[in-house]
Amino acid sequence: AQKVTQAQTEISVVEKEDVTLDCVYETRDTTYYLFWYKQPPSGELVFLIRRNSFDEQNEISGRYSWNFQKSTSSFNFTITASQVVDSAVYFCALSSGNTGKLIFGQGTTLQVKP
Amino acid sequence: GAVVSQHPSRVICKSGTSVKIECRSLDFQATTMFWYRQFPKKSLMLMATSNEGSKATYEQGVEKDKFLINHASLTLSTLTVTSAHPEDSSFYICSASGGRSYNEQFFGPGTRLTVL
Repeated sequence: AQKVTQAQTEISVVEKEDVTLDCVYETRDTTYYLFWYKQPPSGELVFLIRRNSFDEQNEISGRYSWNFQKSTSSFNFTITASQVVDSAVYFCALSSGNTGKLIFGQGTTLQVKP
Repeated sequence: GAVVSQHPSRVICKSGTSVKIECRSLDFQATTMFWYRQFPKKSLMLMATSNEGSKATYEQGVEKDKFLINHASLTLSTLTVTSAHPEDSSFYICSASGGRSYNEQFFGPGTRLTVL
């Protein structure tokens, strides 16, 4: 069975704080893809990153960084020096098998206060 | 990048009417399109997967006769909510994949359906 768990329902931080959003996944497939999406109040999903199961290198993109650890089946997302514009719902998602289906986590609502 | 559009972005209808939502891939051929439903403050739930020229595959618990999906061309899929009721009110999002990577989906902006 495939499953994505985002245990943090809501997180509130003050601007400039660092924040980490957790994501734990389950799959029996050896080849799979992990994603993070941002959903601002407008509702449109914004793609942030895609990582395949064979690439465990951490990635940094500006203030965003991702930590992929197969040993713990986790794909955590850190925002450094958070800004008010980072306020949104963030989804972690998993795709495995040959159907291309995406399994989404429950989402984490991040509120960054000025 | 790949662009997916949805139309309409927002629709309000009376109970009992049918509503059609279009999903278009604007700059690539989408061999597969997905339809999701999202309730307020909830996650996206996959409703169905459609491949061009074939019948859609519905997820468990999704009524095929209520949510009609057509994927007649490589750039267009439609979702028709038949005899809509207030409980069908939701945010519907489509995504499309195709080309080199079937594991990458490009999302439309979503359609907010309100049934009165």
